[in-house]
Amino acid sequence: AQSVAQPEDQVNVAEGNPLTVKCTYSVSGNPYLFWYVQYPNRGLQFLLKYITGDNLVKGSYGFEAEFNKSQTSFHLKKPSALVSDSALYFCAVRDMATGGFKTIFGAGTRLFVKA
Amino acid sequence: GAVVSQHPSWVICKSGTSVKIECRSLDFQATTMFWYRQFPKQSLMLMATSNEGSKATYEQGVEKDKFLINHASLTLSTLTVTSAHPEDSSFYICSARGWSSGRAAGANVLTFGAGSRLTVL
Repeated sequence: AQSVAQPEDQVNVAEGNPLTVKCTYSVSGNPYLFWYVQYPNRGLQFLLKYITGDNLVKGSYGFEAEFNKSQTSFHLKKPSALVSDSALYFCAVRDMATGGFKTIFGAGTRLFVKA
Repeated sequence: GAVVSQHPSWVICKSGTSVKIECRSLDFQATTMFWYRQFPKQSLMLMATSNEGSKATYEQGVEKDKFLINHASLTLSTLTVTSAHPEDSSFYICSARGWSSGRAAGANVLTFGAGSRLTVL
């Protein structure tokens, strides 16, 4: 079965510092991996995805993620955090075993960026 | 890009009543829609998958008779919470994928609605 783990409930970082939000995955085939962000009382917004190609994926709002097959990780990163980046971040994997229609989400990591 | 509208964004109802939440794809035809439920400080849990014109497929543990899903057209899916109780209070989010002008819309990326917060008194 496909699964996604986000080991940190919360990440705190000072504005201007680099940030990393961790994600590891378990899939039976090639992974389709995603990062979404959720602001309070809002739906999820797509940040970036990895399907194939370069291991470093660049996405919205200056975020990027690095796909590491050997470590089965897909950590979200940003070189310089902003206070406005404070939100809930979800890592997700497409369940290709069911035809790729089902997306499985991690538990989420709350990011706090202090001014 | 693909846009999904969800309505209402907030709803408060009395225990025992039914509530309908709409999910519309505004600029593409949504062949598949997904309904998620999110409790406070928790992740999204998939409730059901609905394909246009067919019965929804519910995840294990989700009551079909309580959470009625209708996907009668390519732009609209509805979730009806029947005989709602306080424990049904949650944030319900839909997402969709389909086709726009012959191209796959949301084929690889789910487009989410803004969510509907249900509070049952």
